[in-house]
Amino acid sequence: EAGVTQFPSHSVIEKGQTVTLRCDPISGHDNLYWYRRVMGKEIKFLLHFVKESKQDESGMPNNRFLAERTGGTYSTLKVQPAELEDSGVYFCASGTGNQPQHFGDGTRLSIL
Amino acid sequence: QKEVEQNSGPLSVPEGAIASLNCTYSDRVSQSFFWYRQYSGKSPELIMSIYSNGDKEDGRFTAQLNKASQYVSLLIRDSQPSDSATYLCAVRSFRNKLVFGAGTILRVKS
Repeated sequence: EAGVTQFPSHSVIEKGQTVTLRCDPISGHDNLYWYRRVMGKEIKFLLHFVKESKQDESGMPNNRFLAERTGGTYSTLKVQPAELEDSGVYFCASGTGNQPQHFGDGTRLSIL
Repeated sequence: QKEVEQNSGPLSVPEGAIASLNCTYSDRVSQSFFWYRQYSGKSPELIMSIYSNGDKEDGRFTAQLNKASQYVSLLIRDSQPSDSATYLCAVRSFRNKLVFGAGTILRVKS
């Protein structure tokens, strides 16, 4: 069974540009989560989808971040325009019901 | 006070010894607790989940939970160099989101 896959693995962009991260959850997992780890800090929750609906977006830092999950399969997280403080590793996780979440390898985002 | 606290380490143990990793949490109503292992540049990998007070064993790993003390720990018996990684304690919070500690770096020396 394929795990959670994220693309790209690394992204380097300049401040003010736009970046879109993609996550493909484990097949059949209705729950999809985005988390972020900034340098030296713990992994923090961003938002949670159940199928195509946003269940909880309390962790989204501001309106420069837009997450979508059209059709309830893969999800994208767009940052527009990117700022220096957005640098970090963005993780996606998926799960079913109350089962533990399984994580992807993350996208390392660097804003110059 | 952080919601989930871990000693950042590094915790160094000799090969074959028991490694003991500790975690405290602040939300008394938390019911689900997880230990993830993360190698550099890789995904957090679930190694243990625990939901009830007491011990849960899986191979060389034992998770211990004490809800009264708001404390969860992970013991790794017969530590191997391949166990060297960052160990993340996570607590499931409201609406299923995970709250993570900062992680403890474990180094097993051969």
